Amino acid sequence: QQQVKQSPQSLIVQKGGISIINCAYENTAFDYFPWYQQFPGKGPALLIAIRPDVSEKKEGRFTISFNKSAKQFSLHIMDSQPGDSATYFCAASRGSTLGRLYFGRGTQLTVWP
Amino acid sequence: GAGVSQSPSNKVTEKGKDVELRCDPISGHTALYWYRQSLGQGLEFLIYFQGNSAPDKSGLPSDRFSAERTGGSVSTLTIQRTQQEDSAVYLCASSPSLVDRGKTQYFGPGTRLLVL
Repeated sequence: QQQVKQSPQSLIVQKGGISIINCAYENTAFDYFPWYQQFPGKGPALLIAIRPDVSEKKEGRFTISFNKSAKQFSLHIMDSQPGDSATYFCAASRGSTLGRLYFGRGTQLTVWP
Repeated sequence: GAGVSQSPSNKVTEKGKDVELRCDPISGHTALYWYRQSLGQGLEFLIYFQGNSAPDKSGLPSDRFSAERTGGSVSTLTIQRTQQEDSAVYLCASSPSLVDRGKTQYFGPGTRLLVL
């Protein structure tokens, strides 16, 4: 049972465009929502994270939007660049699971020049 | 400073053989996690260590899988009698503390296991 559902599976965006990846969850006990970026042959690296007490968090070109009532959160990449081409994973965790992360299945982003 | 390291980076084995995968976490990180990444399946949690104890082993897929951590540092994931469905990338992550659950999990590069 997939606790975090992610879409789309793949995304192609033109350079300078906006990339949007969406995630949804069911468990209202989740209270930490990170996004990870993974390049081929590398391990995932934390990109940005949010807690449900805020609706938006921005770091540079990356923004997380969080909708607690809808149990959805999304990653927006503004001014997408070819160097952003990677696989992106959303995740969630709750305190009672001692930090274990529940991951979405990933979105492969390709930004073409 | 040094990040999480894993060895070997690649492992090819024959069905039925045992394999050991090693993880060296970031120095001082008390929490250590193993995940498995299969094509198109995201990252699947396997086991979590706090110090040398494993309070959460719920993700281990069968009794062929086991893991230990010694000295609060290095961890070894062992797969006995490997099967073709065990082929995946095995990722290790470490985290400084659970006092603040916002602490990032830092991932190693993974071990790519292929069972023939």
